[in-house]
Amino acid sequence: EVQLVESGGGLVQPGGSLRLSCAASGFAFSSYAMHWVRQAPGKGLEYISAISSSGGSTYYADSVKGRFTISRDNSKNTLYLQMGSLRAEDMAVYYCARRAGSGYPYDYWGQGTLVTVSS
Amino acid sequence: EIVMTQSPATLSVSPGERATLSCRASQSVSSNLAWYQQKPGQAPRLLIYGASTRATGIPARFSGSGSGTEFTLTISSLQSEDFAVYYCQQYNNWPPTFGPGTKVDIK
Repeated sequence: EVQLVESGGGLVQPGGSLRLSCAASGFAFSSYAMHWVRQAPGKGLEYISAISSSGGSTYYADSVKGRFTISRDNSKNTLYLQMGSLRAEDMAVYYCARRAGSGYPYDYWGQGTLVTVSS
Repeated sequence: EIVMTQSPATLSVSPGERATLSCRASQSVSSNLAWYQQKPGQAPRLLIYGASTRATGIPARFSGSGSGTEFTLTISSLQSEDFAVYYCQQYNNWPPTFGPGTKVDIK
């Protein structure tokens, strides 16, 4: 069974940092691109970052470029999102999602982890 | 960036009735269009991909159609578990983008 389990969310002050993790199981993690998608409270879904299966290519939405870093450890089947210079508008549920390739949708999602940015 | 729009924002439907949801892309996305269902407190779930292919385990009452810029999700006979928010997403162009969602609630 494919499982994606996020962790690392919590309360952080504006300007602070946080690292999210997404532990994958039930599939060949190293064969899939992985994405982070977020959802602000009561709002829609927003792609924010992606990483290729090998980790050699990374992509960012303009809203997080220069502040967030995506990475992965294929030996640990884990995806990461290092978040810095956090702003109130970064407050959201962060989901990791699996994608087979550029011509495929997100077929599995984690349950999400909530990041609250507040002083 | 391709902008996705969805209509209506809210659709009130009685159980057993048919629901038709629309999604439009600001430019052609071919058939690289997916629909997701999201219930409160849950992650999105893939329903339809390739505009019309049901994902694994999705009931036949869900169907998708369209190509290019105009797409439709139809739920033939709404069940109680179908009341949720539905998002369309294009994955033809980078970055992948979502519509704002259609909430299907009980009439």
